Amino acid sequence: QSALTQPASVSGSPGQSITISCTGTSSDVGGYNYVSWYQQHPGKAPKLMIYDVSNRPSGVSNRFSGSKSGNTASLTISGLQAEDEADYYCSSHTGTSIPVFGTGTKVTVL
Amino acid sequence: QVQLVESRGGVVQPGRSLRLSCAVSGFTFSSYAMHWVRQAPGKGLEWVALISYDGNDKYYPDSVKGRFTISRDDSKNTLYLQMNSLRAEDTAVYYCGRDRLRRGTEVEYWGQGTLVTVSS
Repeated sequence: QSALTQPASVSGSPGQSITISCTGTSSDVGGYNYVSWYQQHPGKAPKLMIYDVSNRPSGVSNRFSGSKSGNTASLTISGLQAEDEADYYCSSHTGTSIPVFGTGTKVTVL
Repeated sequence: QVQLVESRGGVVQPGRSLRLSCAVSGFTFSSYAMHWVRQAPGKGLEWVALISYDGNDKYYPDSVKGRFTISRDDSKNTLYLQMNSLRAEDTAVYYCGRDRLRRGTEVEYWGQGTLVTVSS
């Protein structure tokens, strides 16, 4: 039940693209296509941005995309905007145990 | 629309118990897995409990196993989290959440969160 590993912070200028990594093991990220990503603004509840590695819920901008290779999943934000500044968490199914979150990444728009 | 409203948390002494509830509306409660997730002040998210749509399967991390119990009352459209033997490290904002489907793999809808402070 160890947390998935994310970089503590990522930054970019408006209009740029950034990518956040999420590294787990073959027992979680690498073993299932059930990786999700959440956005959380300060003082707010998280918001589901990506599920099943690369699917966007209705209403989520297509500037957000997800992918996975082996034990590492990634979230890419294209055309970075000021409102994208937030904390981002990945999560993964773990088989017969409870899902697990990543350590979280603070995205700063320069 | 989908709504999840947690009960008020509060301050509780170490070793004592507290039950949180989450009243839901806007969807067929009995059709979805449900979650409790917490966030300690200034820290990341932690899953603390998951219950299947039919209530038959429940999952906990080691940090709360044996102390926390998740349950659901479909007749009342309400989710519960019974927290016993509370510790200072249980201090956090607690969110209830609805799964996207029945799989128990992601939280699509979240409550507003309720702060539980464990302190003497």
